[in-house]
Amino acid sequence: DADVTQTPRNRITKTGKRIMLECSQTKGHDRMYWYRQDPGLGLRLIYYSFDVKDINKGEISDGYSVSRQAQAKFSLSLESAIPNQTALYFCATSGTGGDIQYFGAGTRLSVL
Amino acid sequence: AQSVTQLDSQVPVFEEAPVELRCNYSSSVSVYLFWYVQYPNQGLQLLLKYLSGSTLVKGINGFEAEFNKSQTSFHLRKPSVHISDTAEYFCAVSEGSGSARQLTFGSGTQLTVLP
Repeated sequence: DADVTQTPRNRITKTGKRIMLECSQTKGHDRMYWYRQDPGLGLRLIYYSFDVKDINKGEISDGYSVSRQAQAKFSLSLESAIPNQTALYFCATSGTGGDIQYFGAGTRLSVL
Repeated sequence: AQSVTQLDSQVPVFEEAPVELRCNYSSSVSVYLFWYVQYPNQGLQLLLKYLSGSTLVKGINGFEAEFNKSQTSFHLRKPSVHISDTAEYFCAVSEGSGSARQLTFGSGTQLTVLP
C-alpha cells in the first residue's frame, strides 16, 4: 500500500461546484503539503501544515482552503471551482526535519 | 526569495548516451538541493539530495549531481541512459532554517530516451 494516498485520482467537475481532495498518510509524519502542478510551471505550494493546529498559506492559496483532520489526514477544498484550477494536485509529507518530502500519486482535476 | 531555473524544458537523448540536466538556483543563504523524478502517471520520488559535505552526490538509478556553490548550480548527470529513464525531472531548493524550510521547485525537464 502507498504511504501517501490521494483520493480521488481523477475528477471532473463544473464551474462553481465545491470539491474536496483528500490525502492520508501512513508515514507518521507531522508535516503535510498541497501542491499544484501545471505544465511548464513545476510544482507550486498551496498550503502546508506542520501539525494539526498549524496551517499556513503557500504561494498560491487564493481560491483554496484546507483542513487537517488528524495527523494522518489533510484535505484540500475548492469552495467554488473555476476552470483555471484545472491542474494536477499533489499531497506530500515530511518529517520534522522537513527536508525530504514524500509524494502521493496525484489527483488530476478538470473544471469545465 | 529563492528561485530555481531548469534551463532545458525538453532533453531528447539516445539510449546509452550520457545526459546532463541543468539546474541553477538563486539564494543568498545556505541551501539544501534536491532532484526528484516523476514517471508517467506517478507522483514525485526523490532521486538524490545535497544537504552538506561532499559536493558530488550519488542517487538512485545511476544518477549523480554536483553542487557548485560559486556557480549556484546543481546539475544532474548520468553516464549512460536507459529507455526506462524517460521521465520528468525536477530540481528543488530548500532555503531557511529549522521549521521555516520550504521547497521551491523548478519548472521541470522532460527527458526522453530514444532507442
